[in-house]
Amino acid sequence: KQEVTQIPAALSVPEGENLVLNCSFTDSAIYNLQWFRQDPGKGLTSLLLIQSSQREQTSGRLNASLDKSSGRSTLYIAASQPGDSATYLCAVTGNQFYFGTGTSLTVIP
Amino acid sequence: GAVVSQHPSRVICKSGTSVKIECRSLDFQATTMFWYRQFPKQSLMLMATSNEGSKATYEQGVEKDKFLINHASLTLSTLTVTSAHPEDSSFYICSAPTGGKDTQYFGPGTRLTVL
Repeated sequence: KQEVTQIPAALSVPEGENLVLNCSFTDSAIYNLQWFRQDPGKGLTSLLLIQSSQREQTSGRLNASLDKSSGRSTLYIAASQPGDSATYLCAVTGNQFYFGTGTSLTVIP
Repeated sequence: GAVVSQHPSRVICKSGTSVKIECRSLDFQATTMFWYRQFPKQSLMLMATSNEGSKATYEQGVEKDKFLINHASLTLSTLTVTSAHPEDSSFYICSAPTGGKDTQYFGPGTRLTVL
């Protein structure tokens, strides 16, 4: 069974810092990997989708990479802002979505 | 973009009562919808796959008689938590695929609190 792990579980950084969130998965047979943002008590907002044949995707200050062979993905956030504070979830798609454990990010003004 | 709504957004009920949560695809048809549960500080766990016109498929460990799923139309799936207990308190989220397998739209979630 696919297992998805995210490190760190929580992260606190001062505003303006660049940061990296990590996601690892055990089964490399995936269709794609997605990064989501979840605000407290809210649903999910899709940030980036990387197809299994791709290496990275970029959207604004966000860059996600995928190394399928090693079962790893990273989400890079440049010039962090207080509004980036949220929980970030990665999910891999095989026969279903498998969600990671999440990283709770706090950006301090 | 496609929108998925859930109703209610928040519900508080007494132990032993049943609660129905609706998931609607607002501008597209969904023959399949997914129901997830999220406990505090944990990730989303798939509970079941709702199939329009047929029985839902439940994940291992999820009681089908406890969590009744009805997918009566191409735009509506309902999850009924029967005889709810405090341990059922959780955040329930639905999703619906549109287009390819990898395109899913998630509802805003329903916070269930059982007293």
